[in-house]
Amino acid sequence: KQEVTQIPAALSVPEGENLVLNCSFTDSAIYNLQWFRQDPGKGLTSLLLIQSSQREQTSGRLNASLDKSSGRSTLYIAASQPGDSATYLCAVVHMDSSYKLIFGSGTRLLVRP
Amino acid sequence: NAGVTQTPKFRVLKTGQSMTLLCAQDMNHEYMYWYRQDPGMGLRLIHYSVGEGTTAKGEVPDGYNVSRLKKQNFLLGLESAAPSQTSVYFCASSTRRLADSYNEQFFGPGTRLTVL
Repeated sequence: KQEVTQIPAALSVPEGENLVLNCSFTDSAIYNLQWFRQDPGKGLTSLLLIQSSQREQTSGRLNASLDKSSGRSTLYIAASQPGDSATYLCAVVHMDSSYKLIFGSGTRLLVRP
Repeated sequence: NAGVTQTPKFRVLKTGQSMTLLCAQDMNHEYMYWYRQDPGMGLRLIHYSVGEGTTAKGEVPDGYNVSRLKKQNFLLGLESAAPSQTSVYFCASSTRRLADSYNEQFFGPGTRLTVL
């Protein structure tokens, strides 16, 4: 059974710091991995999607990497800002269930001014 | 273009009451999904639909029913609400299968449901 884990559950950093969020999954048979942002009381916004054949994707200050063989993905945020404060979720599409995302429980990020 | 919208935003029910949550999307997406999110957990799939007139069970379907009579709408019903169904419910949609290349899911803002 595919399981997705995100550690740490919460992270607090000062503004301007570069940071890395971690996501691990137990089964490497995935189609893709997606990172989402969730603001309090709001829905999810897709940040980056990495296909299984790719190693990384970049969007602005965000860079997501994927190492399928080791079951790991990282989300790198450069020069963090208070506006980056949110919960970040990763999710995978497993090859035995192409209709659904399997989510981690998220990392709650606080960027202090 | 409103994307994915959900009605209502908040609701309080008593045990045993019934209700329907409405999800609407204006992106002409084929696939629609209902998730629930509980504290400290990620989202879990309740039901999904691969097109108008179709529905299928996800991970946690018990206690819920769904209907997709129109392509743009996906309804989630609770026939007899239980306290264990207290959660935040999210609807999502996508153009194609999630396994297809570069196919993202778009989420609604959520419905916060409390069952007393």
